[in-house]
Amino acid sequence: TQLLEQSPQFLSIQEGENLTVYCNSSSVFSSLQWYRQEPGEGPVLLVTVVTGGEVKKLKRLTFQFGDARKDSSLHITAAQPGDTGLYLCAGAVPGANSKLTFGKGITLSVRP
Amino acid sequence: ETGVTQSPTHLIKTRGQQVTLRCSSQSGHNTVSWYQQALGQGPQFIFQYYREEENGRGNFPPRFSGLQFPNYSSELNVNALELDDSALYLCASSPGQGGTEAFFGQGTRLTVV
Repeated sequence: TQLLEQSPQFLSIQEGENLTVYCNSSSVFSSLQWYRQEPGEGPVLLVTVVTGGEVKKLKRLTFQFGDARKDSSLHITAAQPGDTGLYLCAGAVPGANSKLTFGKGITLSVRP
Repeated sequence: ETGVTQSPTHLIKTRGQQVTLRCSSQSGHNTVSWYQQALGQGPQFIFQYYREEENGRGNFPPRFSGLQFPNYSSELNVNALELDDSALYLCASSPGQGGTEAFFGQGTRLTVV
């Protein structure tokens, strides 16, 4: 069973602060995705990383895939209240790309 | 281009009843996956359909079944509802078989009482 552990589980910060959150596993994934989910809504895809060591930027968000493709990090620069939400990471297992394994998510609250 | 749409948005059912949830995939996408998200948890994979055939199934009992239609829309059926089936049910569509980029609908909130 592939498990994705996300940390920290909850994070409350002040507007303007920087933060880094993590997604870790003992399994290798062929790709890893980050989603943001608002209450009562479906997850919205932010980024897909495929290559070990890959870094992708989406405005103030920086995503990195670990060299061994077992873990990933999300760094947010100068967080804003609009960044508030549940951040989910999901991995696709080699040979079973039809199934995404999700972590439990990180609940981020950015206070104005 | 229309995104993934699900219906209904909310539903209340009684234990033992049956329910059908519906999903229209994003234009151009022929793969549909269903996920169950319990409160405080990440989504759990139920199954996936590609060109009307089941293409992978998660650890869910047979009372969870599905269909995909020629227009790539899909249904999720759950028989003999249990209280633990209360959750947000998410449909996601992807371009091509085995596509890992999943685009989600807004979900159907099912409450079993």
